[in-house]
Amino acid sequence: GESVGLHLPTLSVQEGDNSIINCAYSNSASDYFIWYKQESGKGPQFIIDIRSNMDKRQGQRVTVLLNKTVKHLSLQIAATQPGDSAVYFCAENHNDYKLSFGAGTTVTVRA
Amino acid sequence: NAGVTQTPKFQVLKTGQSMTLQCAQDMNHEYMSWYRQDPGMGLRLIHYSVGAGITDQGEVPNGYNVSRSTTEDFPLRLLSAAPSQTSVYFCASRTGVRETQYFGPGTRLLVL
Repeated sequence: GESVGLHLPTLSVQEGDNSIINCAYSNSASDYFIWYKQESGKGPQFIIDIRSNMDKRQGQRVTVLLNKTVKHLSLQIAATQPGDSAVYFCAENHNDYKLSFGAGTTVTVRA
Repeated sequence: NAGVTQTPKFQVLKTGQSMTLQCAQDMNHEYMSWYRQDPGMGLRLIHYSVGAGITDQGEVPNGYNVSRSTTEDFPLRLLSAAPSQTSVYFCASRTGVRETQYFGPGTRLLVL
């Protein structure tokens, strides 16, 4: 079946450095992808999304890259801050209502 | 806007008890859904609704019922709680299939 996964369960980053969080998906029919941030004890919070007709999309301090050839999605966070410490999930949507979520990557920012 | 609200925040049940997890949104979103989140796993879809009076099963529907009598509310019912239903439950809503989905703060459920 289809699955969405993240390459690494944890990522430790020095404050001020850039972070890159990776995600692999298996359903080539997926046409909409989302990154969520979840802080401890809270619900997931939307960060940025991208549709399959795009390769790159930028937000405030975040960039999402989509490589449909290898079915790979990444989230780049510029100048990582302590407030960026959280679990990050990617999710995919393929032509219906259901979103499939990956297991998440825990990002820890070192001071 | 309060966004998506969920009650209760915490609940402890005994095996076999029933309860309803409440979810409400004030954004006039047609699409609402329930997810469960277990340690080390992503969110898994339990049930969803694309409008008042319309519900459908997600990935893990067994043991749960839903109804959608109004646009605003989407309660999740556990008919006979089991320890395997110990989890964190999230309600979410959005305007359409490829639109931003907003999550509630979650309900933490422990079934003994």
